[in-house]
Amino acid sequence: KQEVTQIPAALSVPEGENLVLNCSFTDSAIYNLQWFRQDPGKGLTSLLLIQSSQREQTSGRLNASLDKSSGRSTLYIAASQPGDSATYLCAVKGYGQNFVFGPGTRLSVLP
Amino acid sequence: ETGVTQTPRHLVMGMTNKKSLKCEQHLGHNAMYWYKQSAKKPLELMFVYSLEERVENNSVPSRFSPECPNSSHLFLHLHTLQPEDSALYLCASSQLWEDRGVHEQYFGPGTRLTVT
Repeated sequence: KQEVTQIPAALSVPEGENLVLNCSFTDSAIYNLQWFRQDPGKGLTSLLLIQSSQREQTSGRLNASLDKSSGRSTLYIAASQPGDSATYLCAVKGYGQNFVFGPGTRLSVLP
Repeated sequence: ETGVTQTPRHLVMGMTNKKSLKCEQHLGHNAMYWYKQSAKKPLELMFVYSLEERVENNSVPSRFSPECPNSSHLFLHLHTLQPEDSALYLCASSQLWEDRGVHEQYFGPGTRLTVT
């Protein structure tokens, strides 16, 4: 059974810092991995989707990497802003299976 | 706007009530999902509908009853709920390709349910 963990559980940084969020999964036979952002009490917004054949994806200040062999993905946020404050979730999809979500990392970017 | 809408956004119901949550997707997708998000727990997949057929039911109690009348609409009928069912209920949709699996999931804003 696929299990997904995220470290750290919470992170507080001053504005302007570059930061890395981590996602680990136990079964490396994945189809894709998706990073989401969730604001308090709201739904999830898709940030980046990485197919299993890809190593990374970039969108603006966000860069996500995938290392299937080690069961890890990282989300890099450059030049963080207070508007980046949210919970970040990763979700892994295995072949023939549905998405399994991690518990999330709660990010606070201080002005 | 994500292209997936949910109503109502907030719902308070007693344990003897019957209510329904509604989800509508405007993305032309062929798969829809119900998730439950409780405080301090990861998102839990409840039901999956693919091409209007239920393809997964993750041991969800029978007091939750899904309905998918067409590829754009998904309902979650609720009856005799318990206080521990209070949570954020999220709907999502995606395009499911037979030969390539599912692509990105798009989520609605959720319904905050409180059972008293």
